[in-house]
Amino acid sequence: AQSVAQPEDQVNVAEGNPLTVKCTYSVSGNPYLFWYVQYPNRGLQFLLKYITGDNLVKGSYGFEAEFNKSQTSFHLKKPSALVSDSALYFCAVISPGYSTLTFGKGTMLLVSP
Amino acid sequence: GAGVSQTPSNKVTEKGKYVELRCDPISGHTALYWYRQSLGQGPEFLIYFQGTGAADDSGLPNDRFFAVRPEGSVSTLKIQRTERGDSAVYLCASSQGQNQPQHFGDGTRLSIL
Repeated sequence: AQSVAQPEDQVNVAEGNPLTVKCTYSVSGNPYLFWYVQYPNRGLQFLLKYITGDNLVKGSYGFEAEFNKSQTSFHLKKPSALVSDSALYFCAVISPGYSTLTFGKGTMLLVSP
Repeated sequence: GAGVSQTPSNKVTEKGKYVELRCDPISGHTALYWYRQSLGQGPEFLIYFQGTGAADDSGLPNDRFFAVRPEGSVSTLKIQRTERGDSAVYLCASSQGQNQPQHFGDGTRLSIL
């Protein structure tokens, strides 16, 4: 089976501070990992992906994520948060033998001015 | 630019009725996915098309749900004898390949009264 856990329902951070949104996964084999963002009443927007190679992946809007195989984690990070980053963030995984993504339940990020 | 288009954006109907939800993917994308998203949850996989054929329909909850993609482009998700529990946002996504980033439409919010 493949699964994703996002342990935090909500993350609060002040504008200008660094942010981290946590994600851990469980798969058989090598994972392909993704982060998506969802704004109210909109579909999901792709932020970044890890397929292979460097463990630190850079994506859209200044976001990055670090793949850690030993900890089976793929945490999303940004050095300096913006109020406009406030949204719902989803981590997703696909692994060998599966044809589509499995999503986590999402983490609401709230950035205060 | 032409993203994934879903129509209608909202659909309200009575229990027992038949509904069709349409998805127009990004031109040239061979892979098309349907998901269902309930409040406070991540998207749940329903069905995946590669070209015209349903490569994986394991996520369809029961035989009231059916989807087609007759010409390998537009897809229609069909729900018969709707139930109140079918109320959710139905998301469509397309990609250039199975492990490539999926691009989502804004979804159809289905409400069964």
